[in-house]
Amino acid sequence: GAVVSQHPSRVICKSGTSVKIECRSLDFQATTMFWYRQFPKQSLMLMATSNEGSKATYEQGVEKDKFLINHASLTLSTLTVTSAHPEDSSFYICSASQDIPFLDTQYFGPGTRLTVL
Amino acid sequence: AQKVTQAQTEISVVEKEDVTLDCVYETRDTTYYLFWYKQPPSGELVFLIRRNSFDEQNEISGRYSWNFQKSTSSFNFTITASQVVDSAVYFCALSESSGANSKLTFGKGITLSVRP
Repeated sequence: GAVVSQHPSRVICKSGTSVKIECRSLDFQATTMFWYRQFPKQSLMLMATSNEGSKATYEQGVEKDKFLINHASLTLSTLTVTSAHPEDSSFYICSASQDIPFLDTQYFGPGTRLTVL
Repeated sequence: AQKVTQAQTEISVVEKEDVTLDCVYETRDTTYYLFWYKQPPSGELVFLIRRNSFDEQNEISGRYSWNFQKSTSSFNFTITASQVVDSAVYFCALSESSGANSKLTFGKGITLSVRP
């Protein structure tokens, strides 16, 4: 149980293009999904928190117009990196949790490695 | 403010050795939750354990064990008889609330290398 998938696992794009990353909870309904960014040999940095049907809450310093998050259903959230630039190259990881006591642990997806040329 | 410190950055052991990964946390809340996650080279974070602040019982799961001590604000993780497959980055994390919206504060992670 508690399986989270991400697609794609790797993406290479040209500078200026937009890239969409999907995060799905496969066997549970995710009340909340989180998006993280991880640089090499570093810890996870929370970018935003999204609840189904609501606008995402972004962490300080994260550009919401740059990183568009949509959480249209209880099993799917998407992160769109708009007008990507080389500095956006990173490992993006999502997690999902449900609003049930003792089951509200964050379960993580396998991550998406984005390379912007 | 909450904080998680994993002072060890890299640990290297030979297979079958026991290894302990340290985690020290700071929080002003009396109710909080502690976690350990494993990140193998593939990148996915694998949930290992969650511990509530009001439950100080230590836990053992196969070769893994966790020692939670509120008196020293520590939540250490021991791998007994380590194996090459244990090679990964291990993160300790803290949440000051429960519920789906609860944010995690991560430590910097410990890179464990287990040599054959």
